[in-house]
Amino acid sequence: GAVVSQHPSRVICKSGTSVKIECRSLDFQATTMFWYRQFPKQSLMLMATSNEGSKATYEQGVEKDKFLINHASLTLSTLTVTSAHPEDSSFYICSATGTSGGREQYFGPGTRLTVT
Amino acid sequence: GENVEQHPSTLSVQEGDSAVIKCTYSDSASNYFPWYKQELGKGPQLIIDIRSNVGEKKDQRIAVTLNKTAKHFSLHITETQPEDSAVYFCAAGYGNKLVFGAGTILRVKS
Repeated sequence: GAVVSQHPSRVICKSGTSVKIECRSLDFQATTMFWYRQFPKQSLMLMATSNEGSKATYEQGVEKDKFLINHASLTLSTLTVTSAHPEDSSFYICSATGTSGGREQYFGPGTRLTVT
Repeated sequence: GENVEQHPSTLSVQEGDSAVIKCTYSDSASNYFPWYKQELGKGPQLIIDIRSNVGEKKDQRIAVTLNKTAKHFSLHITETQPEDSAVYFCAAGYGNKLVFGAGTILRVKS
């Protein structure tokens, strides 16, 4: 149980284009979804928190107009990197917590974004 | 805000030995402490967690201890196996968020 998927697993895009990453909870309803970014050999840095039907809450220093988050249902959240630049290249990982009120965050497999 | 420090950054052990990873947190309001295992190119996997009203929790070869007074918590892996080799992250639950430590690269030599 508690499986989270992400799509795509890898994406390469050209500078200036936009990329959408999907995060789905497959066997549970996710009250809250989180988006993290992880640079090579570094820890996970929280970018934003989203609740179904509400606007996302962004961490300090994260540009909300650049990283658009939509949490349209209890099983789907999307992250769109707009006007991507090479410095946006990173490993993007989502996580989700269930509706039971537990604190456990279950992570997706991650999406490797490379901007050329 | 919360800050989590994790040590050591790398740890090499012989197969069958025990491994211990330690974390400290700064905010006494944190009350949930999960540990994650991350393999190369994959997302983190929750391996064990502990809440602040418990001092120790064990699951087969893995155990976690919590000292609320000292704001320390530790991961103990016994009888290590090569497949335990990975990066391990501790985290502190601060509100509904997690603040992660910097990670420990565990290498189990066979």
